[in-house]
Amino acid sequence: GDSVTQMEGPVTLSEEAFLTINCTYTATGYPSLFWYVQYPGEGLQLLLKATKADDKGSNKGFEATYRKETTSFHLEKGSVQVSDSAVYFCARGGQNQGGKLIFGQGTELSVKP
Amino acid sequence: GAVVSQHPSWVICKSGTSVKIECRSLDFQATTMFWYRQFPKQSLMLMATSNEGSKATYEQGVEKDKFLINHASLTLSTLTVTSAHPEDSSFYICSAIDVDNTGELFFGEGSRLTVL
Repeated sequence: GDSVTQMEGPVTLSEEAFLTINCTYTATGYPSLFWYVQYPGEGLQLLLKATKADDKGSNKGFEATYRKETTSFHLEKGSVQVSDSAVYFCARGGQNQGGKLIFGQGTELSVKP
Repeated sequence: GAVVSQHPSWVICKSGTSVKIECRSLDFQATTMFWYRQFPKQSLMLMATSNEGSKATYEQGVEKDKFLINHASLTLSTLTVTSAHPEDSSFYICSAIDVDNTGELFFGEGSRLTVL
């Protein structure tokens, strides 16, 4: 069935390091793709999204490009901060999903000063 | 932005009792809400789609008699874990669509259930 696979964590980086969190998906058709972030003790928040191939979602310095040919939606940030420490979830929706999302397993990021 | 609130944020109960978790959309009306379950270090698993004024739609493998969902108003959905057992201990998260405005999906902060 349709699924989302993320790189396993935890990922530990020093402040100002470059971040990549890989995400690949399987799906029929062309689903919308999302990255959500969950800060400690809080609910999930939408970080960015892309709704069609080659779209680039961006927010707070994070970027992800919808790559149809590789079925990927990798999350990147050029210079991470301690405040970026959180769990990041890749997710896909789809046509007629009506808000139903399929999530990856989440990747915990820890940024050290 | 729109806010979705869950209550309680954490609950401990004895085995065999029932526990109700509320999910409220605070500043928008939500005809559809979703309930997820999250195990430690694992992904969110969609349990059911809650539809205002009608029966919930459960995902395959989710016991509807075990996890009762009621969506009696446009701002409130409840999940009741009936006859809870330790294996029901988990983090339960709801989400709601702000259909009338952005169409964006907003998540509650989650409710941690521990069954002793």
